Amino acid sequence: DVKVTQSSRYLVKRTGEKVFLECVQDMDHENMFWYRQDPGLGLRLIYFSYDVKMKEKGDIPEGYSVSREKKERFSLILESASTNQTSMYLCASRPGTSGSYEQYFGPGTRLTVT
Amino acid sequence: SQQGEEDPQALSIQEGENATMNCSYKTSINNLQWYRQNSGRGLVHLILIRSNEREKHSGRLRVTLDTSKKSSSLLITASRAADTASYFCATWGFQKLVFGTGTRLLVSP
Repeated sequence: DVKVTQSSRYLVKRTGEKVFLECVQDMDHENMFWYRQDPGLGLRLIYFSYDVKMKEKGDIPEGYSVSREKKERFSLILESASTNQTSMYLCASRPGTSGSYEQYFGPGTRLTVT
Repeated sequence: SQQGEEDPQALSIQEGENATMNCSYKTSINNLQWYRQNSGRGLVHLILIRSNEREKHSGRLRVTLDTSKKSSSLLITASRAADTASYFCATWGFQKLVFGTGTRLLVSP
């Protein structure tokens, strides 16, 4: 079974802190994604990566950066956390370049910024 | 935006009843996918229907697709309490899936 793991289920950080959210997948997938999920807004794509060291902005990249140094690992970085970044963060991976593949999601990290 | 919109936003039924959720989208698609999310967890893929298919079944799930109306429906038959979750449709955009806002389904025993 494909497994996507995220480093923390719950995280509480203070405003201004630098925050790292880690995601690891074990199926050699080329594509990895970071979403945030907020009530009434659905899933919004922050960044994605289709290869090592490659990254593409999603719909809401402001305030975030990413790193993909190894194929299996995709990190989301909040350079200076703010309260409006309190959210559920979901990582996902997918093989291939076409849209005919399902995405596999991690369990999510619920981040609270105080 | 290609974002899908699910309807209704919330649905409450009794065990054994059928649940129908609808999804509308805005642009042409190659396929449409449905995902389930249990409370506070990640999403799980349920089913994919291609643009040249009109109906697809998987266990108690039945998905229809009407590309002329840019809409899809997900039917869960003989629902169970364990079906309580949020359900999302997703369409393929440029290199990425675009998710709708979801339908929250509550199945009461």
